[in-house]
Amino acid sequence: KAGVTQTPRYLIKTRGQQVTLSCSPISGHRSVSWYQQTPGQGLQFLFEYFSETQRNKGNFPGRFSGRQFSNSRSEMNVSTLELGDSALYLCASSLSLPGQSYGYTFGSGTRLTVV
Amino acid sequence: TQLLEQSPQFLSIQEGENLTVYCNSSSVFSSLQWYRQEPGEGPVLLVTVVTGGEVKKLKRLTFQFGDARKDSSLHITAAQPGDTGLYLCETSGTYKYIFGTGTRLKVLA
Repeated sequence: KAGVTQTPRYLIKTRGQQVTLSCSPISGHRSVSWYQQTPGQGLQFLFEYFSETQRNKGNFPGRFSGRQFSNSRSEMNVSTLELGDSALYLCASSLSLPGQSYGYTFGSGTRLTVV
Repeated sequence: TQLLEQSPQFLSIQEGENLTVYCNSSSVFSSLQWYRQEPGEGPVLLVTVVTGGEVKKLKRLTFQFGDARKDSSLHITAAQPGDTGLYLCETSGTYKYIFGTGTRLKVLA
């Protein structure tokens, strides 16, 4: 079965611009999570969506937002980009039900560079 | 906030050597996952451990969950260059979305 698909793979943006990243989860997975990964901070949780609802949110400013569609596909948006937003953005899908986890399947990520 | 501490942070060894990496927390895990991540890719799930004292083997990799479910270890026997990568633990406790700090392993041929 197809894995988690993230597009685009690479992106270069200028400070102040906004960006939208896309994630298609594994068929049947209703939970989609987003993470930011940087060399200094490691993997940091952004937010999780389950059945089109944001179920949990990490400690990121409001410039970071997301949504999930009825087909479980998800997008995340970053507005007013800053140099520090340069990172690998990872999407992961899971069969997780509330209170349980069976591990995540990650996409290959979107490498965002802000110049 | 539950934190996952992994040690060592970096490890560089020769092919054929054995190694162990650790994942520790002050809180009890309901379950724990181990992942390996290669450069430019997302982490890949290796194993899930749920029961205290549980031991799981995946070829040359042995995963152990502490009896008190507060710690876990990953042992690699006869490491190969293909084992090179970032090893991450992740917990599904009260704070579900926590990854460990990671162990970066390099196996030299």
